[in-house]
Amino acid sequence: DTEVTQTPKHLVMGMTNKKSLKCEQHMGHRAMYWYKQKAKKPPELMFVYSYEKLSINESVPSRFSPECPNSSLLNLHLHALQPEDSALYLCASSQVGSYNSPLHFGNGTRLTVT
Amino acid sequence: AQTVTQSQPEMSVQEAETVTLSCTYDTSESDYYLFWYKQPPSRQMILVIRQEAYKQQNATENRFSVNFQKAAKSFSLKISDSQLGDAAMYFCAYRSSGTYKYIFGTGTRLKVLA
Repeated sequence: DTEVTQTPKHLVMGMTNKKSLKCEQHMGHRAMYWYKQKAKKPPELMFVYSYEKLSINESVPSRFSPECPNSSLLNLHLHALQPEDSALYLCASSQVGSYNSPLHFGNGTRLTVT
Repeated sequence: AQTVTQSQPEMSVQEAETVTLSCTYDTSESDYYLFWYKQPPSRQMILVIRQEAYKQQNATENRFSVNFQKAAKSFSLKISDSQLGDAAMYFCAYRSSGTYKYIFGTGTRLKVLA
């Protein structure tokens, strides 16, 4: 069973659309992550939230806007995306302060920008 | 900056045989954590095994074990009694103490032959 739930599983959007990706976890983790993964490549870190505050932004374009409404939820708002933004978007969570704590990933959202 | 290298883009193993996936990393730090993740075609990244750098004993999890050579900065994964369900992309990852950043290797695709 997946303990990190991502919706939707698939998303197709035009370059002028606005959409959101959602992620939810109930493991009590206080660190949540967004990763972008291209085919046959490792995940690339986009954002990290710690205690609902943005901790890391890996110089991600402003057309990606993260939001962490509470300790269980993480959103990624998408606007005016480019075709090269098509990828698998993975959400993950981990404990804070325990550095051997692994990342727990969701199943991802497959995003296609047309 | 830390780097993680997986020199084997693809490996094959016969069912029930043993295979070793290699991972080397470069760091000047003494306190860090290493992980192996598995990503099957279903997309979800799953933790296989983890190792704390301060521990000399190699980690084991059922059929999975690591050969951690700290001086050589090597962290290989051994899969014993390979099963068809082991077929996946395997990523080695490094995490420094005190950071949320996990550095992933480029991955090794493992094929299991029946």
